[in-house]
Formats: sequence, structure tokens, C-alpha cells
Amino acid sequence: DVKVTQSSRYLVKRTGEKVFLECVQDMDHENMFWYRQDPGLGLRLIYFSYDVKMKEKGDIPEGYSVSREKKERFSLILESASTNQTSMYLCASSYPGSGLVGYTFGSGTRLTVV
Amino acid sequence: AQTVTQSQPEMSVQEAETVTLSCTYDTSESDYYLFWYKQPPSRQMILVIRQEAYKQQNATENRFSVNFQKAAKSFSLKISDSQLGDAAMYFCAYRTYSGGGADGLTFGKGTHLIIQP
Repeated sequence: DVKVTQSSRYLVKRTGEKVFLECVQDMDHENMFWYRQDPGLGLRLIYFSYDVKMKEKGDIPEGYSVSREKKERFSLILESASTNQTSMYLCASSYPGSGLVGYTFGSGTRLTVV
Repeated sequence: AQTVTQSQPEMSVQEAETVTLSCTYDTSESDYYLFWYKQPPSRQMILVIRQEAYKQQNATENRFSVNFQKAAKSFSLKISDSQLGDAAMYFCAYRTYSGGGADGLTFGKGTHLIIQP
């Protein structure tokens, strides 16, 4: 069963900490994505990557960075966590041009910054 | 940039009845894909149904069907014979038609569907 795995289901961090959210996929997908999900706002794209070491900003990249050193792993980094980054974070992957196939999603990391 | 609008933050339906969730989108493209995703309390996003814009025929998956009106840029989801397991957040999503490269999904804000027993 193919999957996208997010390393933590729940995470609590302190303001100012550097936070790493990890995502691993076993489908050999080129494309990987990080979304942020907030009530009433839906899913918003933070960053995506279409190849190893490649990254592109999404709609809300401020306060975040990403790393993709291996094809299967895509990390989201909060350089200095703030309370307004308390949210659900979803990782997803896909083949380029996979069109109707859509994405495969992880089950999310609920991050609380205190 | 494309936008997706779901005008119903919450919907409620009696078990076994039919409910329709609305979705409109804005795009200047002629070829694209549309999706409905379900997110139950487990948080796992599940693909419910999908539609290619160049296909006029509405997609159907068992109790789920869509009403795709390309000219009106409307993509509503109909759930027939609603079941308790259908209770979830439902997201409408748009994907550009692309021959390669990363092509991100644009999501609506979601509709919370409640099933009354």
C-alpha cells in the first residue's frame, strides 16, 4: 500500500524554536507539497518541490523554508516558530502531469506553538 | 491565479437523504481537472471523485456524482443515500492541466457535512 508518512501526528513547540516537519513518500514521486490547513481557510500551499534540491514558493511561504535532499523526503522548516504558525500541516506527493490521478496525502501533523 | 469557492461552510442532512455541496471556480484555462476530497476526523484526505474539464459527461462513483457546468464554472457534488460514514469535511479542488512539472492543487475552504441519524 503506497503511502505518504508524516513523522509526527502531534507536535508541541515553544515560540522561537526551530521546528522540522518531516514527510516521506514511497511512491518514487517527483513532486512533493506542503500545505497548511486552518478552519475556514481550507488548504493553502506553502512550498512545493518538483525534484531533488528544487523548491518553489507557494501562496504562503513567509516564515517557512524547505529541504529536499533525497527524492523520497521533503522537510518543512520553521526557522523560529511563532504562535501564528499553530496549525495542521499536510504533506502530499504526485507524479508530474499525473492529472486526474491527483495527489497522495499524509495524515497531517497538528503543530501547536506555545 | 485560479480560485475555488465553496459557499457553504456547513451542511446538514438526514441519513438516507440526498445532499448537494456547491463549488465554483475561476480560471482562464480551458483544460483542467476538478476534484472532491473528503477529510474525515482521521484527517486522511480521501479522493472522492474527479472530472476532466474536456469531458462533458458528469463523473459518477457509486453514491457520489457531480454536476459539472463548464460555462458556469460550477462543480457541485451530490451524495445520494447519505450514510453516517459520509460525515466529514469536503474540499473542492482545481488542478491545472500540465504536461510536466509540479502542478499544485488549489483548494476551496471546505464544507463540513453533518449526517443526522
